[in-house]
Amino acid sequence: DTAVSQTPKYLVTQMGNDKSIKCEQNLGHDTMYWYKQDSKKFLKIMFSYNNKELIINETVPNRFSPKSPDKAHLNLHINSLELGDSAVYFCASSYAGTSGGTSYNEQFFGPGTRLTVL
Amino acid sequence: KNEVEQSPQNLTAQEGEFITINCSYSVGISALHWLQQHPGGGIVSLFMLSSGKKKHGRLIATINIQEKHSSLHITASHPRDSAVYICAVRSLGDMRFGAGTRLTVKP
Repeated sequence: DTAVSQTPKYLVTQMGNDKSIKCEQNLGHDTMYWYKQDSKKFLKIMFSYNNKELIINETVPNRFSPKSPDKAHLNLHINSLELGDSAVYFCASSYAGTSGGTSYNEQFFGPGTRLTVL
Repeated sequence: KNEVEQSPQNLTAQEGEFITINCSYSVGISALHWLQQHPGGGIVSLFMLSSGKKKHGRLIATINIQEKHSSLHITASHPRDSAVYICAVRSLGDMRFGAGTRLTVKP
């Protein structure tokens, strides 16, 4: 069973469009994340979210908005797409807490969504 | 200068060699992650460390909190270990990533 899934895997769209990428996790985690990996393969966190708190990386344009219908889902909505938004977007999930020897906070990643803006 | 520095950027090894990838960071952290990104793009979490050492199969990860340094070791390397290895630190609820080390293991 897939632990963290994303759809679509590939997304090609025109500048100015609005699009969404969906993420679902079946691990029972309470925290989900969105990351952007640019053309140089550099990963950056965009958002982390649990049912208590949304943490936004201040460098993320407000055209990007996470939407969480429930604990198992964190969708990424992007308005007015720009050429520079082309990247691979990864969703991940984890538990928020830490505990002794267990792998709390270990993140499990989705397969990624390759977004191409033309 | 990136808050998380990895070395080397690229590493080519022969099958069977012992491999070390280093990560240094300049911020206070609550945990450090080692990730593996396969050629196909998928990312797998290998380790999460806050102190000491962890071992999983042929992989060993160590961290020295005082020196702000972590190493990922691969023993008896194999071509299937070829991937990009990424160091990431959790700092004040945020995650900061190294640029990755591209490892190629030749048969």
